[in-house]
This record gives sequence, C-alpha cells and structure tokens, in this order.
Amino acid sequence: DAGVIQSPRHEVTEMGQEVTLRCKPISGHNSLFWYRQTMMRGLELLIYFNNNVPIDDSGMPEDRFSAKMPNASFSTLKIQPSEPRDSAVYFCASSGGTGNSLTQYFGPGTRLTVL
Amino acid sequence: AQSVTQPDIHITVSEGASLELRCNYSYGATPYLFWYVQSPGQGLQLLLKYFSGDTLVQGIKGFEAEFKRSQSSFNLRKPSVHWSDAAEYFCAVGAGFGNEKLTFGTGTRLTIIP
Repeated sequence: DAGVIQSPRHEVTEMGQEVTLRCKPISGHNSLFWYRQTMMRGLELLIYFNNNVPIDDSGMPEDRFSAKMPNASFSTLKIQPSEPRDSAVYFCASSGGTGNSLTQYFGPGTRLTVL
Repeated sequence: AQSVTQPDIHITVSEGASLELRCNYSYGATPYLFWYVQSPGQGLQLLLKYFSGDTLVQGIKGFEAEFKRSQSSFNLRKPSVHWSDAAEYFCAVGAGFGNEKLTFGTGTRLTIIP
C-alpha cells in the first residue's frame, strides 16, 4: 500500500514567487495534516483537515499561506508570495481508518528553499 | 491542552550499549502516546504507540516503551543500539478520538559511536 505522497521533493524558488506543495494521503484516511520543520522552531503543525474540512488552522503563519483539500485524495499548501524565512521542510501526514484513526503517517517531505 | 517534554536534546551512546530516551507529558485524561523516528532527510516513521492496556509496548526495530501514569512518562528503550539507530526521536501525545491533533516534543538527537 502506498504511503503518503508529497511533491515536489525539493523546491527552490525566488522571493516573491508562488509556491504550491502537494500531498496525496493514504487511501481511506480521513484526516490530513500539514507540518513545517525548521532547526529553530522544530516541528510545527500548520493546519489539519478532517473529512476535507479545515478544522484547525491556528498554526498557519500568516495570510501568505493557504491550504486546500478539494477531495479525499489531494491537498495543497500554497505560499504566495514566498519569503526566505519560509525555507523549511514541509511534511504532510494522514491518519484514519478503522481502529487506528489517531496514528499519523508522514510523507517524505518537501524541502523548500526560498532565495 | 496537552504538552510533551523531551529533556535531552542530544544523547551519545556506544554501539551495543543500552538506550533510554525520556519523554514526559502533560494531559488531564488518559493520553494517547507515540514515539516516532526521523532519519536524516526522511519523514517521521512510527516506532510504537500506546492507547490502552499493557503499559509496556513493543515497537519496530527492537524498541519498547513503558507508560507510567504516576510519573507522566513514556520513556523509550532499547537493550542494544546499532549504528543504524542514529536519528532524531520524537515523542508525541494525542488527546483522543474527536481531536486528531498530536503534540510533538522537540526531539532527541541520538548519536552512536563505535
């Protein structure tokens, strides 16, 4: 069974450009999480969805960040405009399924570098 | 709200030696507890979890953890570490069904010396 899929794995962009990160959760999972990991701040939860509905976006840094989940198998995290301080590894995780709904399974991450 | 403390930022252990990584949590009800491992350049991988029942849980790669309610702890142990265990280890606590968020600790980086 495929795990959580993220694309791209690496993204290098220039300040001011729009960046879109993509995530495909594990089939059958109904919760999806976006995290950001940096050396300074560690692992931060940005937003999470349940049944495609955003439940908690209190971790989203500012209006430049937005996330969508148009269906159960796809989510995007968009940064517009990007800034150098957005450089980080962004992880997507999903959870759900019968009897195991709290365990989160992580994707490999997208390493974002904003120049 | 729940919280997790991993008091050791960095631990160095000799290959073949035993290991214990500490995790303390704060939560008013019965917690749901997890240990994850992150190798360099990788995502987080689940090592083990505790939901209920036997307080000593076994995980992958020879790891185990013991839930001690009286000490609010969920320490991770391994009797004999291998060089491949070098990684970052994260403890996490969840509130339970209906609130799927996990609160992660700041992590413990494990270095293995020959």
